[in-house]
Amino acid sequence: SQQGEEDPQALSIQEGENATMNCSYKTSINNLQWYRQNSGRGLVHLILIRSNEREKHSGRLRVTLDTSKKSSSLLITASRAADTASYFCATDPRTTSGTYKYIFGTGTRLKVLA
Amino acid sequence: SAVISQKPSRDICQRGTSLTIQCQVDSQVTMMFWYRQQPGQSLTLIATANQGSEATYESGFVIDKFPISRPNLTFSTLTVSNMSPEDSSIYLCSVSGRMTYEQYFGPGTRLTVT
Repeated sequence: SQQGEEDPQALSIQEGENATMNCSYKTSINNLQWYRQNSGRGLVHLILIRSNEREKHSGRLRVTLDTSKKSSSLLITASRAADTASYFCATDPRTTSGTYKYIFGTGTRLKVLA
Repeated sequence: SAVISQKPSRDICQRGTSLTIQCQVDSQVTMMFWYRQQPGQSLTLIATANQGSEATYESGFVIDKFPISRPNLTFSTLTVSNMSPEDSSIYLCSVSGRMTYEQYFGPGTRLTVT
């Protein structure tokens, strides 16, 4: 089963615009990660944000985390055609066993038009 | 980040046969995971492969169908047994370190069952 749901499912924007995608999850987490997957290729790790963090930046990427609402957002500023990809959030549900695993959200397909 | 390779990169198999997928990492890692990704879909976690202990399977996946080995800290195999066309998918291994928790993925194995 999937822990996270992302919206929108698909997003189409013009180059230079900002793109925002959201991830909601169901249970308490230790951390949350965002990934990019270009068509037919492997997943690229973008950012990890821990449950005690509220915001992280990496280049043109900004991730926020609201644990009270069980949601996260990924903002891509000044988008480029090369940002066209599917974006996934993955959460690490908090457990009592001491182990961890990552459950992926449904994904957002972003298309940046040149 | 770790460099992860998978073999084979793709295969076409007959119904009823089995395929073993290998995952090799260039450094010792604590956690290894196996995922399945249907075309155009998100990733579904099959199991967590722990060195020195049995794999932990997610709901809907069983050891008889997806036996996993983890003989050391750099290598794991996933076998897809008694295959049917419904097993056609991309299978990905990923790794994570206990200290960083960031997760990195191999390039995937594209399996087609006819």
